[in-house]
Amino acid sequence: QLVLTQSPSASASLGASVKLTCTLSSGHSSYAIAWHQQQPEKGPRYLMKLNSDGRHTKGAGIPDRFSGSSSGAERYLTISSLQSEDEADYYCQTWGTGVQVFGTGTKVTVL
Amino acid sequence: QVQLQESGPGLVKPSGTLSLTCTVSGGSISSSNWWTWVRQPPGKGLEWIAEIHHSGSTNYNPSLKSRVTISVDKSKNQFSLKLSSVTAADTAVYYCAKVNGDHGDQIDYWGQGTLVTVSS
Repeated sequence: QLVLTQSPSASASLGASVKLTCTLSSGHSSYAIAWHQQQPEKGPRYLMKLNSDGRHTKGAGIPDRFSGSSSGAERYLTISSLQSEDEADYYCQTWGTGVQVFGTGTKVTVL
Repeated sequence: QVQLQESGPGLVKPSGTLSLTCTVSGGSISSSNWWTWVRQPPGKGLEWIAEIHHSGSTNYNPSLKSRVTISVDKSKNQFSLKLSSVTAADTAVYYCAKVNGDHGDQIDYWGQGTLVTVSS
């Protein structure tokens, strides 16, 4: 079964970096994912598509502070130079034959 | 740039049918993409509901499949969602979104969402 696992929360200080992890279920380590940001009281926003080899394609207007990387079944989102507006929920998403799957989301707090 | 806008009643009675429409602008619904519905109950995460291709091909979340119908109206550049036999558990913000590519890929554009409350 295709499942994405995310930690519930992460925090870092203003100006620092934070690295979020999304883990693909067993047997699905070659799958690409996408990262989405949801700021408080807003709808989700597409950040990037991230392949298993670490190549990523960002959405329009996404700052360079957002980057992606991969290792095995893990997919990462790194936010550098954290800003207050980065405080949000971050969801990973993947897709299979006839199905879309979301992770449970990670809440990022900027200290 | 593709834009999506949800519309429909904000209040639905229990056991009734939830009906929402998504209007696509800035692009054709007949382009090589899929179109999808996602919902988010208050304070919870995102749940995929269903997706449709302009050809009429559809995919459904197995947990909702018996109650969901997704359809497309190419003449109006719209796609729609119907969810029957609703209960309070179906109260959520409903988002329509575009799925990149002819084979279904990442969601790359989202609507702003519309809150639907199930209550008598």
